[in-house]
Amino acid sequence: NAGVMQNPRHLVRRRGQEARLRCSPMKGHSHVYWYRQLPEEGLKFMVYLQKENIIDESGMPKERFSAEFPKEGPSILRIQQVVRGDSAAYFCASSPTRAGGHSETQYFGPGTRLLVL
Amino acid sequence: DQQVKQNSPSLSVQEGRISILNCDYTNSMFDYFLWYKKYPAEGPTFLISISSIKDKNEDGRFTVFLNKSAKHLSLHIVPSQPGDSAVYFCAASFQGAQKLVFGQGTRLTINP
Repeated sequence: NAGVMQNPRHLVRRRGQEARLRCSPMKGHSHVYWYRQLPEEGLKFMVYLQKENIIDESGMPKERFSAEFPKEGPSILRIQQVVRGDSAAYFCASSPTRAGGHSETQYFGPGTRLLVL
Repeated sequence: DQQVKQNSPSLSVQEGRISILNCDYTNSMFDYFLWYKKYPAEGPTFLISISSIKDKNEDGRFTVFLNKSAKHLSLHIVPSQPGDSAVYFCAASFQGAQKLVFGQGTRLTINP
């Protein structure tokens, strides 16, 4: 049973380019979350998605960042016109369908390390 | 506003002894708490969780204690092993929000 998969594992972009990060949740999981970790800091929530729906994007920067989780295929975190401050590790997590509104454990992928030159 | 705090950036423990990692939170709405372990260049690995209706949960060498009145939780690892050397993150969430709020992490080093 494969875990959460993310690709690429490492991504180098020059300032002004676009970065696309992909995440495939664990089999049977319908909820996807994106987190960002800056050096020497904890993980910070960015966005929570279900298939074809953004449920909570309260942690997403207002500009340049977008996320989607289409009916078919992986979830995509897209960063347009990257700047040096976007350099970080981006982690995707997934969880199964919530039972009765209770919180479910989130399982993380290996992350994508983005470096903006 | 740091709602989840791990005040010890690092901790060194001798192999075989008990490791105690601490975490404090400020939001009384949190009802689910988790501990994750993270090695360099890898994603966080889920260790153990506890619901706010409990005060203790045990899984093998790992035990999590929750003190709701003090808004404090701790992770006990006993006996500590060299493979336990990693960064440990405490995280919390509450019903209706699903997003996890993480502490800054504590780097645990197990010395032989």
